[in-house]
Amino acid sequence: KAGVTQTPRYLIKTRGQQVTLSCSPISGHRSVSWYQQTPGQGLQFLFEYFSETQRNKGNFPGRFSGRQFSNSRSEMNVSTLELGDSALYLCASSLGQGADGYTFGSGTRLTVV
Amino acid sequence: AQRVTQPEKLLSVFKGAPVELKCNYSYSGSPELFWYVQYSRQRLQLLLRHISRESIKGFTADLNKGETSFHLKKPFAQEEDSAMYYCALKGTGTASKLTFGTGTRLQVTL
Repeated sequence: KAGVTQTPRYLIKTRGQQVTLSCSPISGHRSVSWYQQTPGQGLQFLFEYFSETQRNKGNFPGRFSGRQFSNSRSEMNVSTLELGDSALYLCASSLGQGADGYTFGSGTRLTVV
Repeated sequence: AQRVTQPEKLLSVFKGAPVELKCNYSYSGSPELFWYVQYSRQRLQLLLRHISRESIKGFTADLNKGETSFHLKKPFAQEEDSAMYYCALKGTGTASKLTFGTGTRLQVTL
């Protein structure tokens, strides 16, 4: 079956702009989580959605937001981009509570200039 | 708060030597522990879950609640084991997110 799909793979944006990233989970998976990966901070949790409800949120400013649709697809939005937002953004999906582990997508590489 | 510590950024071993990647955690409840691996130019993928007590690609990991550790071990390293390894903890309830360690790069040389 198809894995977790993230689009686009690469993005270049200018400071102050906003960006929307998309994630399609594995079919049947209802939980979607987002992570930011940077060389300095490693993998940091952004938020998790389950059945269209945000179940958990990390310590990121309000400029970072997300949502999940009825088909479990999820989007992440970052407004007023800063240089420090340059990172690899990873999406992961799981069946439910995540005890079976999370399956990750290839990520979206965001560069803010 | 939940925390995962991987003390080594880089672990370099010879092919055929034993491997132990260290992971310590801090969590007040009963966590679920995972090891994820990222090979060069590939996506992050699940290697092991402590609840399944399985061996994948020759790797094993035992949860030691007394020492709050979940070290990853392999008796004989192979070249193809060279990768970035992340230990991760999943809490319960409102802390059900995955918290990752900073990762250890395993380099297996001939």
